[in-house]
Amino acid sequence: EDKVVQSPLSLVVHEGDTVTLNCSYEVTNFRSLLWYKQEKKAPTFLFMLTSSGIEKKSGRLSSILDKKELSSILNITATQTGDSAIYLCAVEGNDMRFGAGTRLTVKP
Amino acid sequence: NAGVTQTPKFQVLKTGQSMTLQCAQDMNHNSMYWYRQDPGMGLRLIYYSASEGTTDKGEVPNGYNVSRLNKREFSLRLESAAPSQTSVYFCASSEAWTDLNTEAFFGQGTRLTVV
Repeated sequence: EDKVVQSPLSLVVHEGDTVTLNCSYEVTNFRSLLWYKQEKKAPTFLFMLTSSGIEKKSGRLSSILDKKELSSILNITATQTGDSAIYLCAVEGNDMRFGAGTRLTVKP
Repeated sequence: NAGVTQTPKFQVLKTGQSMTLQCAQDMNHNSMYWYRQDPGMGLRLIYYSASEGTTDKGEVPNGYNVSRLNKREFSLRLESAAPSQTSVYFCASSEAWTDLNTEAFFGQGTRLTVV
């Protein structure tokens, strides 16, 4: 059965720390992997990855896909309290599967 | 524990036809959501229901209506389907709308094609 597993489930860091969030998957007919940031409202789209080894970057956030390892990481450097959120990974194959999310808390 | 259940999984409609997408959750969550996802784009919120008895528009509500039938069920209706509504639709639920630390649980999606 298709599945998406994120780790860790929760993480507490201090401002300025760098964090790495993991997403591994087993899906049929992989098409893309997406990262979202979820705060109070709807998840906010961060990145979509389709090609292995190509890093996508936006400010302090970056992500890379490893199709060989069936995984992706999301890096956040110089974390700020505003980065506190749940980060969701979703993988599109024959359908879309979401991971359980990583709850990141950034303390001042 | 089923979580969030959406039906149907696939649907093909002709332009102008109507249909209702059903969603039910068994986690006693207060808030429920309908999203659409289009190729190359992230999730976009269509409508949400912060609590039983309330519904509100999201980013892309035009062409849709919703009903929060009870705490468990939140349906999405297309009154007159258009090709632009071809998309994958996701229902989600969470414990609270305003809680930063709430986690959303997603259904497996409905792939809708309007021809």
